[in-house]
Amino acid sequence: GAVVSQHPSWVICKSGTSVKIECRSLDFQATTMFWYRQFPKQSLMLMATSNEGSKATYEQGVEKDKFLINHASLTLSTLTVTSAHPEDSSFYICSAPSETSYEQYFGPGTRLTVT
Amino acid sequence: GIQVEQSPPDLILQEGANSTLRCNFSDSVNNLQWFHQNPWGQLINLFYIPSGTKQNGRLSATTVATERYSLLYISSSQTTDSGVYFCAVKNNAGNMLTFGGGTRLMVKP
Repeated sequence: GAVVSQHPSWVICKSGTSVKIECRSLDFQATTMFWYRQFPKQSLMLMATSNEGSKATYEQGVEKDKFLINHASLTLSTLTVTSAHPEDSSFYICSAPSETSYEQYFGPGTRLTVT
Repeated sequence: GIQVEQSPPDLILQEGANSTLRCNFSDSVNNLQWFHQNPWGQLINLFYIPSGTKQNGRLSATTVATERYSLLYISSSQTTDSGVYFCAVKNNAGNMLTFGGGTRLMVKP
């Protein structure tokens, strides 16, 4: 099946710094990718839709200036958490849709801890 | 937007027991997926099943799209089945998956 990778798998940063998370589709192309956030013992919540060649679409309540998304190519989307605060500590997961069906493939996630 | 409800929220089984997890959704869907989230957080794709029935080893799933529900069956459960099971759906109105609240399963030896 299709593979989606994320890097890094975990990161610890200090409050006020920025962190970049990469999401790659390894064996297929994705004009759209999705970024989800998951807090402990909760479900996944969609943050934004990343679109290759155009601006990302953010869900209500998600600050676009804080969570910068760049869909640089048909296989790469990046999420940058700017001026991170401890409340941004969470598990971030990206996904990409299949080229041939409605199925979606998920990356392994990135665990962010802001101290 | 579409609503997705999973039941039960928590389930404790003895190893070897069978179980049924349910996912109800509020609108017609063109995608329904079941996932198992392992202790490291990775979502393992179990089934892509917008309709019909599929089986994979001890797991099987059935989606009755006209009645807006899906069931995940786990037979002869093992301790490695422990974790959180998510149902996620997509309707014609959007591109993204909407997740249910999950069922947290613990299988005891």
